[in-house]
Amino acid sequence: DGGITQSPKYLFRKEGQNVTLSCEQNLNHDAMYWYRQDPGQGLRLIYYSQIVNDFQKGDIAEGYSVSREKKESFPLTVTSAQKNPTAFYLCASSLGADSPLHFGNGTRLTVT
Amino acid sequence: GIQVEQSPPDLILQEGANSTLRCNFSDSVNNLQWFHQNPWGQLINLFYIPSGTKQNGRLSATTVATERYSLLYISSSQTTDSGVYFCAVKDTGRRALTFGSGTRLQVQP
Repeated sequence: DGGITQSPKYLFRKEGQNVTLSCEQNLNHDAMYWYRQDPGQGLRLIYYSQIVNDFQKGDIAEGYSVSREKKESFPLTVTSAQKNPTAFYLCASSLGADSPLHFGNGTRLTVT
Repeated sequence: GIQVEQSPPDLILQEGANSTLRCNFSDSVNNLQWFHQNPWGQLINLFYIPSGTKQNGRLSATTVATERYSLLYISSSQTTDSGVYFCAVKDTGRRALTFGSGTRLQVQP
């Protein structure tokens, strides 16, 4: 079955540590996205990539980094510079910028 | 950037009731989508509807792009309809969707 796989589902880290969230898709989509969701709120865009080896900052990119070395993969690193990293992180993909968006099941990150 | 407002923020229904959720946006859009987030956090794409009307079972959506709003209709609601409904839009100046803050729906048996 085609879809978007995010791992792990839950992640716990100590403050000051970098952590990488995995996102893999087998939908053959060109565009991939990372969104952050805080409790009771909407989604905010962290980074997006329209094509391999290219990515752009979203609205809240500070403290995060990404890479897009393969079409199928778009990992997100939460660095120690991110002031409030505890959140629900959602990866998404679409055929193009104006195509329906499909989401993975998310990773809940807790930093203490 | 573009502003997206959803109303009402919260809605409680009895099973079998109908409801209308609204999404207002502040600028012209070329992409509008509705999503349902279930209580476990999964987001499902309901409609891709930059203009016009679409129906899928008990759900339908209408976007009037010239007046900058979209409506999501839920008929004969079921408890499984509970969750948060998000509207997301994209204008021509951006390459990604901007989400509203959602409408939290609770359907009681």
